[in-house]
Amino acid sequence: DTAVSQTPKYLVTQMGNDKSIKCEQNLGHDTMYWYKQDSKKFLKIMFSYNNKELIINETVPNRFSPKSPDKAHLNLHINSLELGDSAVYFCASSHGMRGSFSPLHFGNGTRLTVT
Amino acid sequence: GENVEQHPSTLSVQEGDSAVIKCTYSDSASNYFPWYKQELGKGPQLIIDIRSNVGEKKDQRIAVTLNKTAKHFSLHITETQPEDSAVYFCAATTYSSASKIIFGSGTRLSIRP
Repeated sequence: DTAVSQTPKYLVTQMGNDKSIKCEQNLGHDTMYWYKQDSKKFLKIMFSYNNKELIINETVPNRFSPKSPDKAHLNLHINSLELGDSAVYFCASSHGMRGSFSPLHFGNGTRLTVT
Repeated sequence: GENVEQHPSTLSVQEGDSAVIKCTYSDSASNYFPWYKQELGKGPQLIIDIRSNVGEKKDQRIAVTLNKTAKHFSLHITETQPEDSAVYFCAATTYSSASKIIFGSGTRLSIRP
C-alpha cells in the first residue's frame, strides 16, 4: 500500500490557469508538508500542517493555498499559474511533534509544467 | 536560520569503490541530521539519520559521521553497487523546530560498471 500518495503525477497546463494537487497519507501521521523541487533538484519547504493547523508558511506567493480537510489529507491549490511555477511538488508526512525526530515520508511527486 | 551546504554536486565512482558525500551546517543548535536518497521519478527516502549525541552510525554499507565542533557530517557508502546510483540529500534540523528540515543541495551519485 502506498504510504503517501499524490495526484496527479503529471500536470501540464497553461499560464493563468488554476490547478490543484491532492495528497493523502495512510501512515497515521499528524503533520503534512508541501515541498517544491526545482530543476536543479533543490528541495524547499512551502507549507506544513499539524492536525489541520498551518504551522509553517514559507515565503510563497499568495497564489498558492494549502487546504487540510483532515490530518490525512493536504491539498495544494495554485491560482493564476506562471511559468516559474514549473517544478516537481512533493507531499510529505511525519509524526512531526515538537521534540521528536521523526523522518519525513515523501510521495512520488507531481511534475507541474506551465506552458 | 539554518543553512546546509553539500559537496560534491556530482560524484562518479567505480562499482565496488567507496563514495563520500560531505555536508556542513551553520546553526549550532541543529541536533538531527537525516540523509535521503532520491531515485529517478520518486520522492526522497530516508536511508540513515544521526542525532547530535552520537558521532557515528552504521547500517550495513552505509555510515554517517558527525563532527559537532566543526559542524560537519558525512555519508559514506562502501562497496558501491549500481542500485546506489541516485541523488542524495543531507539535511539538518533542531529539536525545537522539528517540523522544519533544511536540505542540502543534493549530490548526484553515479556508479560506473
